[in-house]
Amino acid sequence: DGGITQSPKYLFRKEGQNVTLSCEQNLNHDAMYWYRQDPGQGLRLIYYSQIVNDFQKGDIAEGYSVSREKKESFPLTVTSAQKNPTAFYLCASSPGWRAGEETQYFGPGTRLLVL
Amino acid sequence: GENVEQHPSTLSVQEGDSAVIKCTYSDSASNYFPWYKQELGKRPQLIIDIRSNVGEKKDQRIAVTLNKTAKHFSLHITETQPEDSAVYFCAATTGGSYNTNAGKSTFGDGTTLTVKP
Repeated sequence: DGGITQSPKYLFRKEGQNVTLSCEQNLNHDAMYWYRQDPGQGLRLIYYSQIVNDFQKGDIAEGYSVSREKKESFPLTVTSAQKNPTAFYLCASSPGWRAGEETQYFGPGTRLLVL
Repeated sequence: GENVEQHPSTLSVQEGDSAVIKCTYSDSASNYFPWYKQELGKRPQLIIDIRSNVGEKKDQRIAVTLNKTAKHFSLHITETQPEDSAVYFCAATTGGSYNTNAGKSTFGDGTTLTVKP
């Protein structure tokens, strides 16, 4: 877990503003993931990336965008199109997507609040 | 897509009793089933996992069982302690090849476990 960092810990967004959440890992993992967690609910997948320079939409991708230009970095942008962005955002990584590589390890999370 | 249902949503036990949490999944392509423990405001931590070629796995006071035919798996905690109090999540992870859903995990909604001293 210590090898995955997220920043900032808290983030405030104004109406119509795009904000970017950082996720970095030094575990040499191929796969990375972004989840959204609302109070009292489970984790919902926003985007995931099986390998650098590639990513796929998860179950709730609308209003979000990502990039995977470097193996160790998978930033998430919450756009103004996301009308209800207040949530706890968790980044995770796994060694890969193949059998035996799928165990995901989570970062400490970023709490996004709307002003 | 995959759908994971988790029960119960809340569970209260006396210290020393056992706790059981159950999950069902829908996609037969799922082949890896981790369980996570999440304390308030913290990140989920993996506590145990099981693969589809195994029926049961145990690690000290924690065990997981998997019934592939019925598509359900369960977490068993014995001799519960107050520090076991947390939210527990099950997940089902899809197998497959590159550029499919391989590695994608679907989570249950969580079970809040309270262990009373």
